[in-house]
Amino acid sequence: QQQVKQSPQSLIVQKGGISIINCAYENTAFDYFPWYQQFPGKGPALLIAIRPDVSEKKEGRFTISFNKSAKQFSLHIMDSQPGDSATYFCAASPGNQFYFGTGTSLTVIP
Amino acid sequence: ETGVTQTPRHLVMGMTNKKSLKCEQHLGHNAMYWYKQSAKKPLELMFVYNFKEQTENNSVPSRFSPECPNSSHLFLHLHTLQPEDSALYLCASSQDPGGTGNNQPQHFGDGTRLSIL
Repeated sequence: QQQVKQSPQSLIVQKGGISIINCAYENTAFDYFPWYQQFPGKGPALLIAIRPDVSEKKEGRFTISFNKSAKQFSLHIMDSQPGDSATYFCAASPGNQFYFGTGTSLTVIP
Repeated sequence: ETGVTQTPRHLVMGMTNKKSLKCEQHLGHNAMYWYKQSAKKPLELMFVYNFKEQTENNSVPSRFSPECPNSSHLFLHLHTLQPEDSALYLCASSQDPGGTGNNQPQHFGDGTRLSIL
């Protein structure tokens, strides 16, 4: 059973546009929600993370929106750039074990 | 320089070979992990070590054998693998919050691309 469901599988956005990736979970024990960015030939790198005591966290052009009652969270990339083209993974954790989504391949076209 | 180093970066082996993957972390973390990454699938957790003790083994076949001699090094010994084992194997480390609830992120290496002939 997949603990974290991520959509869409792929996304194409124009340069300057907003990229939105969504994730949903069921386990209410999850209390830490990171997003990872992975470039080809590289391992996933932590991008931004949120804990359920806040509904939004912003770091530069990256924002996580968190809806605890709906058990959903999303990543928004503002002013998307070609350099943002990568695969993005959401994850959820109740402790030191992490459950990952299936990934979203983002392509930002100039 | 990445805080988590994996070697080799690429490995091609036959089904009867024995090889080992190595991971080293320079972050002072006390937990280390092995993941399998296959296309279109979520990252699959294979093994977790906390303070050198194995705490998770997610029904991984015995042809994969982990070893954690200290909190900075992690190995994955491979023996008699199958073609479906071809994947990217990722090592990660984190600071185990030890029940404080203050979860810490995982830091990944760049992986070993494994191909089974």
